[in-house]
Amino acid sequence: DTGVSQDPRHKITKRGQNVTFRCDPISEHNRLYWYRQTLGQGPEFLTYFQNEAQLEKSRLLSDRFSAERPKGSFSTLEIQRTEQGDSAMYLCASSPPDRFDKLFFGSGTQLSVL
Amino acid sequence: AQTVTQSQPEMSVQEAETVTLSCTYDTSESDYYLFWYKQPPSRQMILVIRQEAYKQQNATENRFSVNFQKAAKSFSLKISDSQLGDAAMYFCALYSGGGADGLTFGKGTHLIIQP
Repeated sequence: DTGVSQDPRHKITKRGQNVTFRCDPISEHNRLYWYRQTLGQGPEFLTYFQNEAQLEKSRLLSDRFSAERPKGSFSTLEIQRTEQGDSAMYLCASSPPDRFDKLFFGSGTQLSVL
Repeated sequence: AQTVTQSQPEMSVQEAETVTLSCTYDTSESDYYLFWYKQPPSRQMILVIRQEAYKQQNATENRFSVNFQKAAKSFSLKISDSQLGDAAMYFCALYSGGGADGLTFGKGTHLIIQP
């Protein structure tokens, strides 16, 4: 069990650029979640996959955001035309089958949009 | 919509003393789970303790215990024999089951341990 892995740890980009983050969940976990955490706040739910199916999307997930989990393993989160308000830490979490109450988090990707 | 409120932005405690972090929540669901997560400077969210709403007995994990008051929708965390390694942000979180909307987190309490 190597834990949930996120890449990169930090990303600095200019406004208007596209960025993509990757999350590798724990191998036997079929559920994968993306959260966003801004300074001084708790994480906010963005979206959730069960295997390759994206089952829930928060209204926080504007049409500039897209997430995929093509083979039910790793997931990517892409932000197009980044804005300064997108600056935040993006956290990924995974959970085992039928154990939605046992989330394991990665260390996050810190995004700074200049 | 469900909400989680942590009214203490920061708490300070002397090493080896006991501290209690407060959390209130609101949900219309009857079946739910409550959690306390710790987020140290490394940023990784670490589960400290969890409580199923249908269980009346308060959860305990070593030095960590909760006081779950279902009628009052209150879920406080007690840390006994505080250690320097306990210093972190602590988040209270609620999950109503079914996968919908994931966890709802509070804004967190910054816990400082005075040596």
